[in-house]
Parts: sequence; C-alpha cells; structure tokens
Amino acid sequence: SYELTQPPSMSVSSGQTASITCSGEKLGDKHVCWYQQKPGQSPVLVVYQDNKRPSGIPERFSGSNSGNTATLTISGTQAMDEADYYCQAWDTSSVVFGGGTKLTVL
Amino acid sequence: QVQLVESGGGLVKPGGSLRLSCAASGFTFSDYYMSWVRQAPGKGLEWVSYISGSGRTIYNADSVKGPFTISRDNAKKSLYLQMNSLRAEDTAVYYCARGIPPGLAVAATHFDYWGQGTLVTVSS
Repeated sequence: SYELTQPPSMSVSSGQTASITCSGEKLGDKHVCWYQQKPGQSPVLVVYQDNKRPSGIPERFSGSNSGNTATLTISGTQAMDEADYYCQAWDTSSVVFGGGTKLTVL
Repeated sequence: QVQLVESGGGLVKPGGSLRLSCAASGFTFSDYYMSWVRQAPGKGLEWVSYISGSGRTIYNADSVKGPFTISRDNAKKSLYLQMNSLRAEDTAVYYCARGIPPGLAVAATHFDYWGQGTLVTVSS
C-alpha cells in the first residue's frame, strides 16, 4: 500500500519560515493537501491540490509538490501556527494520510 | 454555513456493534462525496471510508473492509457508519468530513469541512 512519510516533529523560531515535508513514491504525480490540527480540535484544511489555499487561510501558508516530495511552507510563522500537520493524497482507490508532523514554534 | 454533526459514539464491548451518524447542513449534501476518518488517542489521522454523492461508489480502507459499512441518506442529509465486530484497536474519535465537490476528479480528494468528532471506545 502507498505510504506518505513526514518528520515526526520540527521546531521553528517565531517569525521564521517552516517547511514541512511529505514524501512518497512519485508523489509529484498526485494531488496533495495539508491539514492543521490543534490539540482537542478537528483538522482544518490549509492547502489543497498541491498549492491552493481555502478561503480564510492566511497567505503565509503555501504548498508545492514535485518529484517524490510535497512541502507545506509557513512563512513568518506565528505562535498560533503551533500544531500537528498532516499531508494527504489519493492512491489507487484509497485516501492516504501521512503520519503527521508536530510543529513547535519557539 | 456548512455544519457536520456526528453522533452515536460511546462505550461498546469487543465484538459489539455501533452505528455512527453525521447530520449535514449548509450545502447540497447529495452533490458531495463524504468520508469517515478516525484518530486513535494520541495518534494520527486514519482514513476509514468514502462514499460518492449518489451512494453508488464506495471506497474502504483495508483495515475496516467487511466489519464497517458506510452509507448515506440524501433525503435526510445524513451519513452513516455501521461498525460491526468491533475491536479494541477501533477505539478512536471518528470524524465525518466533506469530500470533493461535483466535477472534481476523485484523485483530487481533499476534505474541506470536518465535524467535531464522536468518541468510540471498545473495551470490556
């Protein structure tokens, strides 16, 4: 079965850029989306179809996808961005989630 | 505004059954694919099942094929998950989520609205 791999955790200083990666075989051939989940809350879609932002999501969230790696970039990271982030793609009749990355904002 | 409200969770013994419901409002329910996604305590998101707007197309995760059945009633704007033969490892918060809109390929699947989740605990 298809797998998406994310680093379990990462940290970024407030105001800096965070780049969260998601890797999978030929991932660039698929559509990737990203979710943010804060403790005790439901996931929120922050990027879909590789690089589109839903209404209401700040411009500091952006996405890219090429080769075997998709990246969620958070520019000018704020304390409120501290959360778990999950990538997701579709493969052969299945929805696949990455294992999630816990982002800590220092 | 779009709202998804799950219900039906609770404590059930191993081998037991439970039926989850998700009441939708604020959009044309029959147009959208809908999904169930679960999250075990302290763990990541796990996709469970996905159903087309008409209900004619269903996709299931290998981990739940057989015991779990997704269905929908478009007249009632409701999504369901019938869970049989429950095991301890099925313990999780179960989320209802809205999938792709009309005209979008299933390969572009993403979930733009999520419910608050309902907790299912399987324990003796």
